[in-house]
Amino acid sequence: DGGITQSPKYLFRKEGQNVTLSCEQNLNHDAMYWYRQDPGQGLRLIYYSQIVNDFQKGDIAEGYSVSREKKESFPLTVTSAQKNPTAFYLCASSMIAGANTGELFFGEGSRLTVL
Amino acid sequence: ELKVEQNPLFLSMQEGKNYTIYCNYSTTSDRLYWYRQDPGKSLESLFVLLSNGAVKQEGRLMASLDTKARLSTLHITAAVHDLSATYFCAVVPYGQNFVFGPGTRLSVLP
Repeated sequence: DGGITQSPKYLFRKEGQNVTLSCEQNLNHDAMYWYRQDPGQGLRLIYYSQIVNDFQKGDIAEGYSVSREKKESFPLTVTSAQKNPTAFYLCASSMIAGANTGELFFGEGSRLTVL
Repeated sequence: ELKVEQNPLFLSMQEGKNYTIYCNYSTTSDRLYWYRQDPGKSLESLFVLLSNGAVKQEGRLMASLDTKARLSTLHITAAVHDLSATYFCAVVPYGQNFVFGPGTRLSVLP
């Protein structure tokens, strides 16, 4: 089935460690996104990419890094510079070109907890 | 600054009742999306509204869009417990990314 796969679903990190969250999609979507959600809050955009080997900062990019080496993959690294990384991270993708609704499709999310 | 507001933010209602959630936005957008999120889960697409006057219905939920008023409504008819979730609206201003509202947390009580 087509969709977006995020892993791991749950991750615990010690302070000072970098961690990488995986996001893979087989929807042949052009654009991919990372959002952060804090408890009881809305979504905030971290990074997005509309084409391979190119990405842009969102509203809260500090302390995060990404890469887009393949169309299907958009991993997010939470670095030690991110002071409050405990959150629910959501990866999403969408088509850009052509006749489409532009709808965002979401993965199941990764919950990161800093110990 | 672009703002997307939802009203109410919290809604507790009894089964069988009707209610409407409102989504207002502050800039031009001809597309609006509604998503549902269950506790601890990801977002699920409910409705995609692509033009002024668009109306979509699925089960007990009906969404509409008035681009001139910059307003979308999500109407709940005869609520059931399974509708308990957080509902987000989102707009996509031209040349920009999705902008989400803060969410409306709906609790349907038996």
